[in-house]
Amino acid sequence: QVQLVESGGGVVQPGTSLRLSCAASEFTFSDHAIHWVRQAPGEGLEWVSVISYDGSNKFYADSVKGRFTISRDNSKNMLSLQMNTLRPEDTAVYYCVRATSTYLDVWGQGTTVIVSS
Amino acid sequence: EIVMTQSPATLSLSPGERATLLCRASQSVRSNLAWYQQKPGQAPRLLIYGASTRATGIPARFSGSGSGTEFTLTISSLQSEDFAVYYCQQYNNWWTFGQGTKVEIK
Repeated sequence: QVQLVESGGGVVQPGTSLRLSCAASEFTFSDHAIHWVRQAPGEGLEWVSVISYDGSNKFYADSVKGRFTISRDNSKNMLSLQMNTLRPEDTAVYYCVRATSTYLDVWGQGTTVIVSS
Repeated sequence: EIVMTQSPATLSLSPGERATLLCRASQSVRSNLAWYQQKPGQAPRLLIYGASTRATGIPARFSGSGSGTEFTLTISSLQSEDFAVYYCQQYNNWWTFGQGTKVEIK
């Protein structure tokens, strides 16, 4: 079935970097924009970033702009999120989410990032 | 930024009862509104998009309505598996979520 699987989460210190990955399967990856959405512990959902189907357009929430970089490799059906200068407030479960049209229809299971000294 | 406000924060109901969840946008989002269900430890699941279209596999007891700034998610008869947190999200201008409504067993 259509699937997104995130990886790369972990415990890191403030100011350091981490790279998340998302592997897609059972759909035509290059037809879809893909988003990252995060959820801090006990909190709601926050949109983080989106990349267009071909990688030509990328957008970020103000809270991560200049620190996070989204990218994709359509030949490998892979999405990445490079997170630099991490802050404690970046602690969250990060979800990779497929977009159909402009709504978010398929979610990965999430990967947990903890930023703590 | 479009702010999405959901009410109530918590809804305490019994199985079989009708649930009505509200979502208000700070400016018009036309019909570009989705609803998601999230259970503890799980990823959100798309229920409704386009304000009123059920996603694939979603039971008919879930229905959405509204346009512009006022939206409603109705669960006609709550089943045990429906007790969860529900989020609305607009995708008319970027993407923003409401803070969620928890539907709990009374």
